[in-house]
Amino acid sequence: EAQVTQNPRYLITVTGKKLTVTCSQNMNHEYMSWYRQDPGLGLRQIYYSMNVEVTDKGDVPEGYKVSRKEKRNFPLILESPSPNQTSLYFCASSFTETLANEKLFFGSGTQLSVL
Amino acid sequence: TQLLEQSPQFLSIQEGENLTVYCNSSSVFSSLQWYRQEPGEGPVLLVTVVTGGEVKKLKRLTFQFGDARKDSSLHITAAQPGDTGLYLCAQRTGGFKTIFGAGTRLFVKA
Repeated sequence: EAQVTQNPRYLITVTGKKLTVTCSQNMNHEYMSWYRQDPGLGLRQIYYSMNVEVTDKGDVPEGYKVSRKEKRNFPLILESPSPNQTSLYFCASSFTETLANEKLFFGSGTQLSVL
Repeated sequence: TQLLEQSPQFLSIQEGENLTVYCNSSSVFSSLQWYRQEPGEGPVLLVTVVTGGEVKKLKRLTFQFGDARKDSSLHITAAQPGDTGLYLCAQRTGGFKTIFGAGTRLFVKA
């Protein structure tokens, strides 16, 4: 089954404790992206990747890191989480980014709480 | 930064009623996508509209793209409880970014 898999689904942590949220897709997609979703603000893009070893900042990259060492995986790293990073996070992928009407496939989300 | 404004923010209706939600921008869209997000899940693509004036139908859902490609609407006929969810419009920009509106949260009561 074609899917984007995120782990964990729920995570509670404390300020400053490094964490990684994993994302994996099995569709051989070139493009992957991370979003955070906050009430009233919709989905905001954190980072995206056009292909292996090619990443770039989205609209809200501060406090986050990403890597794309393999095509299928795109982990999101919070080196020193803070309470304002409490949010619902989504990973998404598509075959390519060059077509404006390309469909995005989303994972089921990771609810992160930073105390 | 281009913004997508969606209205209304929240809508609660009875089963069988019709409704329309809107997505507007100050800039011209190259194309526009509509997604639906159910609780506990990620957004799922419903449709992509590309041409000004375009109308697409998906069962009881009708999507329209404005002639000037600066606005879009989603009309649901005879809403059902299964239509409950968050409806998001999105634009994929040429700079490899995707912009989402804040969404319209729809609740259909049985």
